[in-house]
Amino acid sequence: NAGVTQTPKFRILKIGQSMTLQCAQDMNHNYMYWYRQDPGMGLKLIYYSVGAGITDKGEVPNGYNVSRSTTEDFPLRLELAAPSQTSVYFCASTRPGVGNTIYFGEGSWLTVV
Amino acid sequence: DAKTTQPTSMDCAEGRAANLPCNHSTISGNEYVYWYRQIHSQGPQYIIHGLKNNETNEMASLIITEDRKSSTLILPHATLRDTAVYYCIVRVAEDSSYKLIFGSGTRLLVRP
Repeated sequence: NAGVTQTPKFRILKIGQSMTLQCAQDMNHNYMYWYRQDPGMGLKLIYYSVGAGITDKGEVPNGYNVSRSTTEDFPLRLELAAPSQTSVYFCASTRPGVGNTIYFGEGSWLTVV
Repeated sequence: DAKTTQPTSMDCAEGRAANLPCNHSTISGNEYVYWYRQIHSQGPQYIIHGLKNNETNEMASLIITEDRKSSTLILPHATLRDTAVYYCIVRVAEDSSYKLIFGSGTRLLVRP
């Protein structure tokens, strides 16, 4: 198993540009999550999904969109990049039911200039 | 809002036990407590989790109070490599879905 794979690892965007952060997991996990982490701060939940076709907002969803067309993939879309979206983005996945471990990707570093 | 409260920072001497507290006073009966740590800006790493009973694995021990309103992560013999931010997480169940809300974590510094 590759676990949770995020691409790209690093990206610089200009203000107003759009891009998609990719997240894929090969563990057949139903639940997937996107977090952002600003320098020196904790992780904030952006969006999450409990299965294909089902997504919901987390703590800080503004400026982002997600889709979940397959169990494996959970892309995060930034439509009009702003400097406030400069952050490290982490994707995570887990199985339904309590007690199951949450697996994280290695992160995607995004800078908006 | 995060459902856990942790001290901002702690330190301990290398080779000594590190005891990291976490308050989760609003925890529900079927919610687990998870501990993760993050070294530099790597992805968070799983440490341990528990429901009611104390748990131990090769990395750490988790002590949960009888009323489940708080817990303590114990690193029995801290090393310099244990310097990291430690997150206590309550697995939140709302409408049959599971949000995972992080707090700010505790920055642990292990001193030589």
